[in-house]
Amino acid sequence: EVRLVESGGGLVKPGGSLRLSCGASGFTFSDHGMVWVRQTPGKGLEWVSSITSRSNSKYYADSVKGRFTISRDNAKNSLSLQMNSLRAEDTAVYFCARAAGSDGFYYIYMDVWGKGTTVTVSS
Amino acid sequence: QSVLTQPPSVSGAPGQRVTISCTGSSSNIGADFHVHWYQQLPGTAPKLLTYANSNRPSGVPDRFSASKSGSSASLAITGLQAEDEADYYCQSYDSSLNTWVFGGGTKLTVL
Repeated sequence: EVRLVESGGGLVKPGGSLRLSCGASGFTFSDHGMVWVRQTPGKGLEWVSSITSRSNSKYYADSVKGRFTISRDNAKNSLSLQMNSLRAEDTAVYFCARAAGSDGFYYIYMDVWGKGTTVTVSS
Repeated sequence: QSVLTQPPSVSGAPGQRVTISCTGSSSNIGADFHVHWYQQLPGTAPKLLTYANSNRPSGVPDRFSASKSGSSASLAITGLQAEDEADYYCQSYDSSLNTWVFGGGTKLTVL
């Protein structure tokens, strides 16, 4: 079974840091780009960051650029998101998703999603 | 304000057909980037519904169909069922923002 499981969420004070992880199973992790998407309570989806299959390219939303760092360990089938200088507006459910699509990285879609992990930034 | 504009809500009776629009611009849908659609049932993660403008993953009923024309796209759901009640999101890439973008989401209510 293809599966993604996020972990690492929690309550953190503004300015603090948190590291999210996503464990993958049931597919060849190193063949796929990966994506982090977040959803603010009661609101829509927001793309956060993407990474290509061999970490050659990393992309960030302007709202997190310079504060968040995406990385992956293909040997461990694991994706991470290091979040620093957290703000109240980073409070959200963070989803890890598998990128799919064969027409180039800009054409990707997310074909497998984890259940999400909740990050709350509050004093 | 989302780059891709969707109606906040649509509704329909069981068995009816509804459509959800997704309006973009010349830097995303109009630039020929693909449009993908996701369904999010209450309290769950999004699920891929259609990809690359009009393709359905295996396991998605053919009651769901998507299309794209110019700078807009649409999702059609025929034979509405109670279990279709969910939030629906379109997604593409924007070359001006250099980011992947989602629509604001549309809540489908089955009357």
